[in-house]
Amino acid sequence: GENVEQHPSTLSVQEGDSAVIKCTYSDSASNYFPWYKQELGKRPQLIIDIRSNVGEKKDQRIAVTLNKTAKHFSLHITETQPEDSAVYFCAAGGTYKYIFGTGTRLKVLA
Amino acid sequence: DTAVSQTPKYLVTQMGNDKSIKCEQNLGHDTMYWYKQDSKKFLKIMFSYNNKELIINETVPNRFSPKSPDKAHLNLHINSLELGDSAVYFCASSQGGTVPSSYNEQFFGPGTRLTVL
Repeated sequence: GENVEQHPSTLSVQEGDSAVIKCTYSDSASNYFPWYKQELGKRPQLIIDIRSNVGEKKDQRIAVTLNKTAKHFSLHITETQPEDSAVYFCAAGGTYKYIFGTGTRLKVLA
Repeated sequence: DTAVSQTPKYLVTQMGNDKSIKCEQNLGHDTMYWYKQDSKKFLKIMFSYNNKELIINETVPNRFSPKSPDKAHLNLHINSLELGDSAVYFCASSQGGTVPSSYNEQFFGPGTRLTVL
């Protein structure tokens, strides 16, 4: 069945360092790849997304890259801050269905 | 100006009971979803509705019955609750459509924490 693998499951970085989270998807029909941030006890919120016809997208300290051939996509956070600490989810899908990755718990150490 | 709302926020009940969770969105979206997030934080899609019609049912036990009276509401009724049903249930909505775009962004409700004793 369709699945999305996400690594690492936990990631600790020093404040100011970069963090990279990687995902691999199985369904070649997937054409939309969002990333969500979920703080403790709160709802997931979209932080960045990328469509299948784009290889890279950047929004301030956050960037996402997509390699459709390899079915890989990655989230890059630069100059991490303590408020970046949260669980991050990748997802792959299309119109009515999204498969989420298993989540990465990011801790930014001050 | 809440976008996606759910009630109740917390639900504690005994095994075997029947309970409902309500979801409403005021974004004018066509598509609504139910997700289950277990204790390990896995977010798993349960149902997807478009314009009140069921699109996706991810092999969810038939004790779970979603109902969409109109495209702004998607309620979840659960019969004969089991211990394994304990989780946080999130409702979400998106514009839908076949062209991948920001319209596909899903907006999540605040979640309903269900505890089955």
